[in-house]
Amino acid sequence: DSGVTQTPKHLITATGQRVTLRCSPRSGDLSVYWYQQSLDQGLQFLIQYYNGEERAKGNILERFSAQQFPDLHSELNLSSLELGDSALYFCASSARNPGSYTGELFFGEGSRLTVL
Amino acid sequence: ILNVEQSPQSLHVQEGDSTNFTCSFPSSNFYALHWYRWETAKSPEALFVMTLNGDEKKKGRISATLNTKEGYSYLYIKGSQPEDSATYLCASYQGGKLIFGQGTELSVKP
Repeated sequence: DSGVTQTPKHLITATGQRVTLRCSPRSGDLSVYWYQQSLDQGLQFLIQYYNGEERAKGNILERFSAQQFPDLHSELNLSSLELGDSALYFCASSARNPGSYTGELFFGEGSRLTVL
Repeated sequence: ILNVEQSPQSLHVQEGDSTNFTCSFPSSNFYALHWYRWETAKSPEALFVMTLNGDEKKKGRISATLNTKEGYSYLYIKGSQPEDSATYLCASYQGGKLIFGQGTELSVKP
């Protein structure tokens, strides 16, 4: 158990809908990362937050948004869903500040989104 | 963002075999190279974080080396066991982001 909690574990929805994925980092970790893993793709970096502020952004679609709340949990919002958004979405947390590149990531178990 | 490449994509070995696989990453502006192990139905777990050229890390039967000048890292598994079956991911820290390769899927047959 990494200490990172993601909900829901599985989600099935229809095209055009909107969903929210939730992540609670390990106790004390201030950095939260979101990754997407689609079929035949590696882990694609979406976005990183540190203590409530956005610190790095990857190839995150405009239809996607995220935030980190004062209690440090994070939410990833996916809207106007398309079939291609079906993927496993991972949240990870790290104890290090965003300027430190040596902090290992602790991953949640992922949220599997299926868009029909 | 520059690609992180891993090879081979998959590997099938017999129990007891030793094996190794490669991670290639951009050598310019190098900061750190991470290795993660990802078992089926679980989440990725960190194996090593390496920062210095020539660095070698070891955890049990698994070890890794790092060449930052030429931009590659090797992961070695000595005497593979069925429980080593997993996908092994490397990741390079670039521009404030940890960029992952697509992984090497290792299958160890008893």
